[in-house]
Amino acid sequence: AQKITQTQPGMFVQEKEAVTLDCTYDTSDQSYGLFWYKQPSSGEMIFLIYQGSYDEQNATEGRYSLNFQKARKSANLVISASQLGDSAMYFCAMRGFRSKLVFGTGTRLLVSP
Amino acid sequence: EAQVTQNPRYLITVTGKKLTVTCSQNMNHEYMSWYRQDPGLGLRQIYYSMNVEVTDKGDVPEGYKVSRKEKRNFPLILESPSPNQTSLYFCASSLVGVEGSYNSPLHFGNGTRLTVT
Repeated sequence: AQKITQTQPGMFVQEKEAVTLDCTYDTSDQSYGLFWYKQPSSGEMIFLIYQGSYDEQNATEGRYSLNFQKARKSANLVISASQLGDSAMYFCAMRGFRSKLVFGTGTRLLVSP
Repeated sequence: EAQVTQNPRYLITVTGKKLTVTCSQNMNHEYMSWYRQDPGLGLRQIYYSMNVEVTDKGDVPEGYKVSRKEKRNFPLILESPSPNQTSLYFCASSLVGVEGSYNSPLHFGNGTRLTVT
């Protein structure tokens, strides 16, 4: 079985600063993918970034990067230069071979001016 | 534009009145799924489909039905809704691919907020 753990229910950051959202996972699969989604207050789920279990380099997408530490089974999301529009819920998720996407419980990020 | 379209966005109904939430995707994805999101419980999978005419139960299938007659559509049916089905529902789709989908992100619809009184 796969499991995602997000231990930070809420995080605060000032505008223009960087913030790290923690995510640890557990799986017995050799091949798996790790994903981060953003859910603003309007409710939609927005895909942000993907990291494959065999990828040697950390994934980056604009201001988002994924700090992947396979031995520690962690996949933290780093948001650089936070903006007010980054205030949202953030979900870490993983998917194994031909399996469903399993989500963590989420971290609510609040960016202050 | 590539997207997953759910309708309606908001729905208020009464106990026992059958309803259908539609879901359509235009990305030719094989895999489609329904999730419900509840405070403190996160996102839980209701049903999923690996391809046309292939559906399977997720974690919380009781009280729901689905069908996959066409690749693009995956409606969610509540035959006799009850108040405990009040929730935010998401339809999602992805490729399956040779590698078996572990590297395919799910693309979500905008959600359907259902209230059953």
